Amino acid sequence: NAGVTQTPKFRILKIGQSMTLQCAQDMNHNYMYWYRQDPGMGLKLIYYSVGAGITDKGEVPNGYNVSRSTTEYFPLRLELAAPSQTSVYFCASTLISPTGELFFGEGSRLTVL
Amino acid sequence: TQLLEQSPQFLSIQEGENLTVYCNSSSVFSSLQWYRQEPGEGPVLLVTVVTGGEVKKLKRLTFQFGDARKDSSLHITAAQPGDTGLYLCAGETGTASKLTFGTGTRLQVTL
Repeated sequence: NAGVTQTPKFRILKIGQSMTLQCAQDMNHNYMYWYRQDPGMGLKLIYYSVGAGITDKGEVPNGYNVSRSTTEYFPLRLELAAPSQTSVYFCASTLISPTGELFFGEGSRLTVL
Repeated sequence: TQLLEQSPQFLSIQEGENLTVYCNSSSVFSSLQWYRQEPGEGPVLLVTVVTGGEVKKLKRLTFQFGDARKDSSLHITAAQPGDTGLYLCAGETGTASKLTFGTGTRLQVTL
């Protein structure tokens, strides 16, 4: 079972560049999330979606954008990358909210230089 | 923004010792989860607690949800090197379909 798949696993960006982190899940989960994790820290919610066509901001949305055109895909767009966006990004999904188990991808490590 | 504080931040113990990790907030949570994360991987769910005062056991791990549903603890008995990892609590207030994660406790168990 693939579960939650994130690409790329690693990326180095220059300041001001843009990129999209891809996230796909094959479990038919309605709820999907993007978190960032700074070294040794917990996770901070960037954006989330409760279903196709519906997205909302989390704690730290500035500098990011998302879209959810289908149930399966939830890409995260970084516009004008800044060093403060250097982090590990995790995509997650769940069938039941709020008590359902979050299934995480393996993470995308982004460095902005 | 609800804040979940975990303590201690770091814990280094020897195999066989017992330990307790705490997760505290000023907010009331409708449910609380504990995850463990190993290096280079995403977090994996250990347990979900939903009732104030609830205690759940998972082999050598015991989880407790506070009576007021503002805090939780994770107790590990006879820790093993395989318990090494980052432990994260995550709470949901019920007002939106999203979890707030704690600050994390990094546990290292050595032989």
